Amino acid sequence: LAKTTQPISMDSYEGQEVNITCSHNNIATNDYITWYQQFPSQGPRFIIQGYKTKVTNEVASLFIPADRKSSTLSLPRVSLSDTAVYYCLVGDMSRARTYKYIFGTGTRLKVLA
Amino acid sequence: GAVVSQHPSRVICKSGTSVKIECRSLDFQATTMFWYRQFPKKSLMLMATSNEGSKATYEQGVEKDKFLINHASLTLSTLTVTSAHPEDSSFYICSVHRGSGNTIYFGEGSWLTVV
Repeated sequence: LAKTTQPISMDSYEGQEVNITCSHNNIATNDYITWYQQFPSQGPRFIIQGYKTKVTNEVASLFIPADRKSSTLSLPRVSLSDTAVYYCLVGDMSRARTYKYIFGTGTRLKVLA
Repeated sequence: GAVVSQHPSRVICKSGTSVKIECRSLDFQATTMFWYRQFPKKSLMLMATSNEGSKATYEQGVEKDKFLINHASLTLSTLTVTSAHPEDSSFYICSVHRGSGNTIYFGEGSWLTVV
């Protein structure tokens, strides 16, 4: 069961790039790394997913080093609307029937004007 | 992404009564659904894993007789909070997995307030 560790909170200013790192030292070979964004009173929203190296989509990039023991979510040019809690989730979702998807503390990002 | 619908989004009930929350997968058939509970400013806590056609698997400390989970079809799972008490007041969120791939998708969540 891969446990994740993230910083509790981060502050940033509008227009800056924000990098949030997640540690997952006991990640398993078949585990994928997925990041979610959650606004108050809403369910988590999928942001990005990766297995190794770098993944980029229209909203974020995900950097995963060769040892895969950590990952970094990069949000380019954040705006006030990016203020939210960000969670990284590690798991082998092909085994969803028996796998437990445990959330860590998440990182509370506050974007300031 | 997938569309997962929860209903109701907010519900208030009296102590001692039961309340049912529905989770529907609108885009695909979900072989596995998960139920989470979240207190204000806290992380999501996994309550149970629900596989279609079989009994739910509950996490340690979650009372299966109090939180009844039914996954009767590939698109619907329900969570029934029985004999609700004020301490059951919380934000309940479901998520679904389509049976392939590596992503789970979440519903909008349901606020339960027990008075």
